[in-house]
Amino acid sequence: GDSVTQMEGPVTLSEEAFLTINCTYTATGYPSLFWYVQYPGEGLQLLLKATKADDKGSNKGFEATYRKETTSFHLEKGSVQVSDSAVYFCALAPGSEKLVFGKGTKLTVNP
Amino acid sequence: DGGITQSPKYLFRKEGQNVTLSCEQNLNHDAMYWYRQDPGQGLRLIYYSQIVNDFQKGDIAEGYSVSREKKESFPLTVTSAQKNPTAFYLCASSIRRAGGPDEQYFGPGTRLTVT
Repeated sequence: GDSVTQMEGPVTLSEEAFLTINCTYTATGYPSLFWYVQYPGEGLQLLLKATKADDKGSNKGFEATYRKETTSFHLEKGSVQVSDSAVYFCALAPGSEKLVFGKGTKLTVNP
Repeated sequence: DGGITQSPKYLFRKEGQNVTLSCEQNLNHDAMYWYRQDPGQGLRLIYYSQIVNDFQKGDIAEGYSVSREKKESFPLTVTSAQKNPTAFYLCASSIRRAGGPDEQYFGPGTRLTVT
């Protein structure tokens, strides 16, 4: 069935470090892909999305490229800030009625 | 401003009592969803609804019930049959597209504690 696998957390970085959170997926067809962010005690917010192969989603300095050949959608940011500390979820829309979410990766950025 | 509201933010109940969590949206979205979030387990889908007066079970529907009498509202009842009801509950909505679901928009969540 359709599934999303994210790198295990937690991830701890120093401010201004480079961030990569890996996400791979299994799905038939051509799903849309999403990254969501959840700050402590809050709901999820859409961070970025890509709807077809080779699309690059970007927002707030974060980027992710839809790689169909490697079935991946890795999240990257060149220089993280303390305010980026949150839990990040990768998700896919496989064409059915539901989204499929990864388990989430907790990021902590230290000053 | 358009968005999704969930109330209350924190809810406390005694074991054996049913409790209803509110979810309202003014985004004019057709589809609405309820998720449960436990530490380290990500999001698990409880129920979802694509149109008014219709809803489907998700992955963990046992012990929960929903209704969808209005487009804007999708309340979730946690019944006494739910074995471990203490969790963070998230409501979401999305535009319903012919090719599949679009991104979902989430409410701020309700933290339910049952003792």
